[in-house]
Formats: sequence, C-alpha cells, structure tokens
Amino acid sequence: GQQVMQIPQYQHVQEGEDFTTYCNSSTTLSNIQWYKQRPGGHPVFLIQLVKSGEVKKQKRLTFQFGEAKKNSSLHITATQTTDVGTYFCAGPPGNTGKLIFGQGTTLQVKP
Amino acid sequence: GAVVSQHPSWVICKSGTSVKIECRSLDFQATTMFWYRQFPKQSLMLMATSNEGSKATYEQGVEKDKFLINHASLTLSTLTVTSAHPEDSSFYICSASEVGLSQPQHFGDGTRLSIL
Repeated sequence: GQQVMQIPQYQHVQEGEDFTTYCNSSTTLSNIQWYKQRPGGHPVFLIQLVKSGEVKKQKRLTFQFGEAKKNSSLHITATQTTDVGTYFCAGPPGNTGKLIFGQGTTLQVKP
Repeated sequence: GAVVSQHPSWVICKSGTSVKIECRSLDFQATTMFWYRQFPKQSLMLMATSNEGSKATYEQGVEKDKFLINHASLTLSTLTVTSAHPEDSSFYICSASEVGLSQPQHFGDGTRLSIL
C-alpha cells in the first residue's frame, strides 16, 4: 500500500534559524496536505497543494509540491517559538477521501 | 467555520468497560468522518472511515467488533471501544471533511482514553 515518509523525525533549532521538513510518497499523489499539531493538541490543517511543481507561501512558511507529485517540503524562515509542534504531511490513496499521514517532524525552537 | 467537536476529552475507566466517543461536525455536514489512533510521539494511524447511513470501512488490522462505529446522521459519528483493556489506552481523534473530493480534514480535540 501507499507509504508516506517524512524526515527528519526531530529538529532542534535556535530561534531565528530556518527549518525544513521533507515528505516522500511511494506513489503519485493527487494532492498533498500539511497539518500542524501543537503539543497536547490536535492536528490543524495548514495547506493543500494540488499542481505539479506548485509553491505556496503563508507568511514565513513555504510549501512545495514536487514535479512528479511524489514529494513535498515545508520550509520555515526565521523560526519563532510559536512554530513549535509536529508537522505532518498527508496524501490520499486514490479517491477515497481518506489520508495517509507521514510520521511527522517535531520542531523544537530554543529562545 | 468547519468546526469538529469531540467528546469526552478524557476518560479513565476500569478494564472491561465499554467507552463511547462522540464526534460532531458543528457547522457543516459530513457524509464521511474518520477515526484515528495516536500513540505518544507517533503519527496518526487511520482506524476506520465512517460513512453516514452505511457500515464503516475498517483499515487492515483493526478489529471491527472491538471498535464499533456508528454514523447515524450527517453531523454525528460515534466510536465505541467495547470491553476496553489497558492496551486500548491511547489518544483517539476524529476528523471530518466537507463534501467534495480532496477536501481538507478538520480534527476534533481528541479523547485521551486510559484503561486501568
């Protein structure tokens, strides 16, 4: 079945440094979604990418979808302590509406 | 918009008890809801897809007689953990998406279940 791999598992950065997490799927995706889960909280939808090579920005966050629609990345510029949490990518296997989540990347930011 | 409410937030009960968790979409209709299980510091594991008016679709390895799902209306799905045992202790989260393919999922706050 479809697998979604995400690296790194953990990342510790100094406040102000940049951060990137990478997501790879074993199969081509119709779209990829990114979620953020704060410690003790639930996942919150960040963004969805649909087109091959698509790039979207949300303030300091930049999301990319690969040309082959099998990989994606999330880059945060100049991290802040509010960026702390676990970032998950997720992709749909077929047209079922369900999502397969990557393992997540947990970001710690030292003030 | 797109708020999902999950209740209860915490449950502590004795082994052998059955526990019901509710998931409601408050401001939209959800023909499909999803139930996940999350272990500490791990990813979300999809347990089942809850379909309004029909039987749930369970992922491989998930016991349907253990985790009963009912989706009786367009805004409510319930997960019942039957005869719960300590190994069922976990964080259970539901999600719902609005009608249409590839819609983002909106998650409830989750339920922390502890079986003594």
